[in-house]
Order: sequence, then C-alpha cells, then structure tokens
Amino acid sequence: GAGVSQSPSNKVTEKGKDVELRCDPISGHTALYWYRQSLGQGLEFLIYFQGNSAPDKSGLPSDRFSAERTGGSVSTLTIQRTQQEDSAVYLCASKTTRSSYNSPLHFGNGTRLTVT
Amino acid sequence: AQKVTQAQTEISVVEKEDVTLDCVYETRDTTYYLFWYKQPPSGELVFLIRRNSFDEQNEISGRYSWNFQKSTSSFNFTITASQVVDSAVYFCALSGEEGSGNTGKLIFGQGTTLQVKP
Repeated sequence: GAGVSQSPSNKVTEKGKDVELRCDPISGHTALYWYRQSLGQGLEFLIYFQGNSAPDKSGLPSDRFSAERTGGSVSTLTIQRTQQEDSAVYLCASKTTRSSYNSPLHFGNGTRLTVT
Repeated sequence: AQKVTQAQTEISVVEKEDVTLDCVYETRDTTYYLFWYKQPPSGELVFLIRRNSFDEQNEISGRYSWNFQKSTSSFNFTITASQVVDSAVYFCALSGEEGSGNTGKLIFGQGTTLQVKP
C-alpha cells in the first residue's frame, strides 16, 4: 500500500487477555518503530527494528510486551496479560535508511487499545 | 540524554491570528535532527519539516515558518494567519545522527494542542 497500515484500528479487550497488534510498513522501508501514545501524553518509543532484528528494545515497559518482524516487512506487537494501564494508541512508523541523512518517520493511523 | 520540551500544553486563537509554538531541546550530540509533526483529530501523524543541526537558516513554507536557534536550543514553529484547519496537536521531535549506535528514533515533546476558532 501507499502508507503504513495498522490493524485492527480499535481493540477492546478484557484485563488479563493477550492482544496482537499488526503493522504493515511502507514497501521497501527497512526501519520500523513502535510508539505508544497514552491519553494526553506524548509519544513514547517502544522498539526499533532494522530488517528483522531489534537492536533497540529499550522502550518496552515490561516483559509482557514483545514484538517481532518477519521477512523485513510485517511486524506484530504482542501484549500479554493486558492491564488497564496498557490502554493507549499504539503507533507504528517506518522509514527508509537509504538516504544520506535522517529521513522522517512515516506513521500509521494507530491501533486504539482499550483494556476493560 | 536527549529531551524535547514543549511548554505550551494548549493554545487557543481566533482565525487569522498568528501563533508560535515553542520547542526547546537538549542533546549532547553535535549532529542531530529536529522535526515537527502535526496530528489532526483524525489521529494520523503528518510530517511537516526536518532540520539538521548544521543548518540554522529559517524556513518558510506557505503560512508555516520555522525558527531554529542553536544558541537557545530552540526550534519554534509559527503559523501565520491561522485557519480552523490548523487545529491539531503539534509535536516537536529530536533524533541523533543515524549510525554509530543511533537508531534514528525520534524523541518527542509532549505536544501542543492548537485550537483555532472561527
């Protein structure tokens, strides 16, 4: 597709359940990032992928959070045993790393996660 | 450590007024990049501008202009003759130079909500 695609757009889940959020980056973009945006807050970095590797996982808030990327394309963010504080909008972004200086991130529309 | 501060949480103006959104950053890198993004009510983050630390020229794009001053570590954004469609949350962001351990990830400020009233 033309842009970064995320699914689902909305997810309501019960506390304690596991959820998977999907990101389909722009074709050819080797770098992929996950961010979290809580109500009234800025964007919090979670994890960075270069290809299928994740050299920076420093933003993952707990071991309940994990992510993987396959084929250098689609990425899945998994939250296990969800808690109410996990409620937020999860944003995915991708970028090319072929330019000679930092290219901008292209963001998807996000997945709004509500934990009840 | 890198940090971005947007001290203005919310700004409300009447259409056609000029408005400036402030952004102050902290970094120990000598090469870095600054960005502004717009997040309209639809939620998608829209890239507006990127500057590198070696280019302090101000930039103008239509009604938008940016003032980058290294001496005060600021990268302020001005909208001239604001319009209702400018209503959005605006984020300032900072990244180090890619490579040498830097991932190119963006460090965002908390955002400034701009409301332009008709």
